[in-house]
Amino acid sequence: KAGVTQTPRYLIKTRGQQVTLSCSPISGHRSVSWYQQTPGQGLQFLFEYFSETQRNKGNFPGRFSGRQFSNSRSEMNVSTLELGDSALYLCASSFSGVSYNEQFFGPGTRLTVL
Amino acid sequence: DQQVKQNSPSLSVQEGRISILNCDYTNSMFDYFLWYKKYPAEGPTFLISISSIKDKNEDGRFTVFLNKSAKHLSLHIVPSQPGDSAVYFCAASASYGSAGGTSYGKLTFGQGTILTVHP
Repeated sequence: KAGVTQTPRYLIKTRGQQVTLSCSPISGHRSVSWYQQTPGQGLQFLFEYFSETQRNKGNFPGRFSGRQFSNSRSEMNVSTLELGDSALYLCASSFSGVSYNEQFFGPGTRLTVL
Repeated sequence: DQQVKQNSPSLSVQEGRISILNCDYTNSMFDYFLWYKKYPAEGPTFLISISSIKDKNEDGRFTVFLNKSAKHLSLHIVPSQPGDSAVYFCAASASYGSAGGTSYGKLTFGQGTILTVHP
């Protein structure tokens, strides 16, 4: 079974630009969660989607948004990029997320904002 | 307010010995706990999990212990191998109700412990 895939793996953007990251979950998984990892803040939850609906959201500004498609693939968008948005962005999928399901992570997208 | 804490930034162990990684949490609503292993520039790899109805779960060389009264969990690796050298994260989740339904989709992570296993 293929794992979680994320594209692109690396991105370099400048301040003020916007970026879209993509995540394809494990086949059959319907829940996708997004996380940001930085050296200072560690791994922080951004949001979770299930059946094209956002079910949970972390403490990030409205510049961070996401969506999920009918095939469970998900995208996250960051608008008006700031230097502090430089991070490893990880997505994780689980079967349903409504009970005790482990989350499986993709390799991440490394975003650098100059 | 850090709800999940791994107080040891690093741990060094000899090959063949036991590695014990610790994690404390403050939120009594957490009822599902997971351990992940992570290499630089890669996503975390799931190792083992435990729900709050259990106090121990084993999978091969990995055992997780949960002490709910102390809000403490630990990961034991026996025997430790050089390939176990990585950053280990504990994570916790609680059910969350929203218009979209009940979710366990939010994991709260500790800061990680760097494990080094020496040959």
